[in-house]
Amino acid sequence: ETGVTQTPRHLVMGMTNKKSLKCEQHLGHNAMYWYKQSAKKPLELMFVYNFKEQTENNSVPSRFSPECPNSSHLFLHLHTLQPEDSALYLCASSQDRTGAKNIQYFGAGTRLSVL
Amino acid sequence: GESVGLHLPTLSVQEGDNSIINCAYSNSASDYFIWYKQESGKGPQFIIDIRSNMDKRQGQRVTVLLNKTVKHLSLQIAATQPGDSAVYFCAETDQAGTALIFGKGTTLSVSS
Repeated sequence: ETGVTQTPRHLVMGMTNKKSLKCEQHLGHNAMYWYKQSAKKPLELMFVYNFKEQTENNSVPSRFSPECPNSSHLFLHLHTLQPEDSALYLCASSQDRTGAKNIQYFGAGTRLSVL
Repeated sequence: GESVGLHLPTLSVQEGDNSIINCAYSNSASDYFIWYKQESGKGPQFIIDIRSNMDKRQGQRVTVLLNKTVKHLSLQIAATQPGDSAVYFCAETDQAGTALIFGKGTTLSVSS
């Protein structure tokens, strides 16, 4: 148990559906992250929130919409996705954004399949 | 640009052997490096970290070595066990020092 919980663990959706991924951290951290993990590729950073404010958006298509209502919760809203968006979506949190405080703790991920 | 890579995508060892997983990085200004382990069906798990002002750091059965001259990072696992089978990622801080850049990963397979 890493202290970062993601739901659902698996999600199958059609290209016209709207769904949301949820992440909750119980570590008292200030920063939260969304990553995309595709086969044979490095982890791709999507979004970063620090103290509930979005600090990074790495050119992610608008069909992915993050929401951070408080420092413990992070959502990723999905709509009109494409089959190439199928991947493992990982949430992480860290105490802060610098040095050792940037050690990120990951959830188990949501395995997303877009049909 | 910044990138972190690993020398080998897969490594197979016998139980009890020592394993060495290598990583090359490109950002000479990186101040901080981390090794993660990802088991099947799980997210990456923190193993050990090292600051750029250190050459070596030891944990329980793991040692990380940093060679800044050639921008090389390695993870040594002593007496490798079947439970060590996983994908291992190295990560470095980006130029701003606020984000982590991950390598592609090395899959370690341990046979009994």
